[in-house]
Amino acid sequence: DGGITQSPKYLFRKEGQNVTLSCEQNLNHDAMYWYRQDPGQGLRLIYYSQIVNDFQKGDIAEGYSVSREKKESFPLTVTSAQKNPTAFYLCASTRGGRNEQFFGPGTRLTVL
Amino acid sequence: ILNVEQSPQSLHVQEGDSTNFTCSFPSSNFYALHWYRWETAKSPEALFVMTLNGDEKKKGRISATLNTKEGYSYLYIKGSQPEDSATYLCASISSGSARQLTFGSGTQLTVLP
Repeated sequence: DGGITQSPKYLFRKEGQNVTLSCEQNLNHDAMYWYRQDPGQGLRLIYYSQIVNDFQKGDIAEGYSVSREKKESFPLTVTSAQKNPTAFYLCASTRGGRNEQFFGPGTRLTVL
Repeated sequence: ILNVEQSPQSLHVQEGDSTNFTCSFPSSNFYALHWYRWETAKSPEALFVMTLNGDEKKKGRISATLNTKEGYSYLYIKGSQPEDSATYLCASISSGSARQLTFGSGTQLTVLP
């Protein structure tokens, strides 16, 4: 089945540690996205990539980094510079343009 | 940053009731509007992609309308069922925003049996 996978589902880290969240898709989509959700807020865009080896900052990129070495993969690193990293993180992909986005199951990160 | 607003924030209805919610978005540089349904413990799933003023789309008991001139979209659910319980998200794409989605905070619908 085609889809998007994110791992792990739950992640706990100590303050000051970097952590990398995985996102893989087998939909052959060019564009991939990382969103963050906090209680009572909409999804906010962290980073996006429209093609391999290229990515752009979204609205809340500070304290995060990404790479796009393969079409299928778009990992997100939450660095120690992110002031409030505890949140729910969603990865998505799309064929592009006006087309709908397909979402992964999400990773809930808790920084202790 | 676009400001996409959804109302109400949450809603409880009885099984069989019809209901509707609103999404408002900046009308300038409009490119497209998306509606997603997000059930608990699942991933958000696309319901509709709407692009033209006056668009009406329907999927089963759920339908949506779009007014790009005044910047709003309505989502209607006819004869709500418990399985319709979910958070409904709308997201707008502006042609001036690198064509990225800006999401509202969602309407959480609970359908009581």
